[in-house]
Amino acid sequence: EVHLVESGGGLAQPGESRRLSCAASGFTFTPSGMTWYRQAPGRALEWVAYIGSSGIHYADSVTGRFSISRDNAKNSVYLQMSSLRAEDTAIYYCTRECIRASICSWGQGTLVTVSS
Amino acid sequence: DVVMTQSPLSLPVTLGQPASISCRSSQGLLHIDGYTHLNWFQQRPGQSPRRLIHKASNRDSGVPDRFSGTGSGTDFTLEISKVEAEDVGVYYCMQGTHWPMTFGQGTRLEIK
Repeated sequence: EVHLVESGGGLAQPGESRRLSCAASGFTFTPSGMTWYRQAPGRALEWVAYIGSSGIHYADSVTGRFSISRDNAKNSVYLQMSSLRAEDTAIYYCTRECIRASICSWGQGTLVTVSS
Repeated sequence: DVVMTQSPLSLPVTLGQPASISCRSSQGLLHIDGYTHLNWFQQRPGQSPRRLIHKASNRDSGVPDRFSGTGSGTDFTLEISKVEAEDVGVYYCMQGTHWPMTFGQGTRLEIK
């Protein structure tokens, strides 16, 4: 069974950095495309970043501030977030594929709150 | 960026009756790989989203056959043949053809 477990959420001050992690299990991690999505309180889903066979891509709203990476030896994907803003407050979800592939799995999400 | 526009934004439906959600994209979604990468997601209250449909009309594993997706080019539809109580939630379309990926605003389905 596929499991995706996000961690690293919490309260951050504006301008600070934070790193989210996603531990994957139950599937062959290395060839899989991994994606981060987010959902601000009461708002629609938003795609954030992708890493996989199609390269690395970011949403306009996070380009230059966020960085996605992966460690295939640890079956993990990361989202390094810097220069955090109040509008980055959201639940961040890690997913396996969910863009073009026939495969799609979601984690339970981790909440990031950016506030002074 | 591709703009995804859903309608309606609120959808009250009687149990057992059909429901339909429209999604329009500002650009065509046919990818160079020959597929149209239009996805439909469901988000039940308090839960993580799950995908229902990929490539416009393909149901994801485990999705009941009362859900169906149709459309091509820029116009797409998600249909539920007979709404059940567990279908309450918000439905999103998302295009996966053009970077960056973009979502519609969401359609809230409720039971009348």
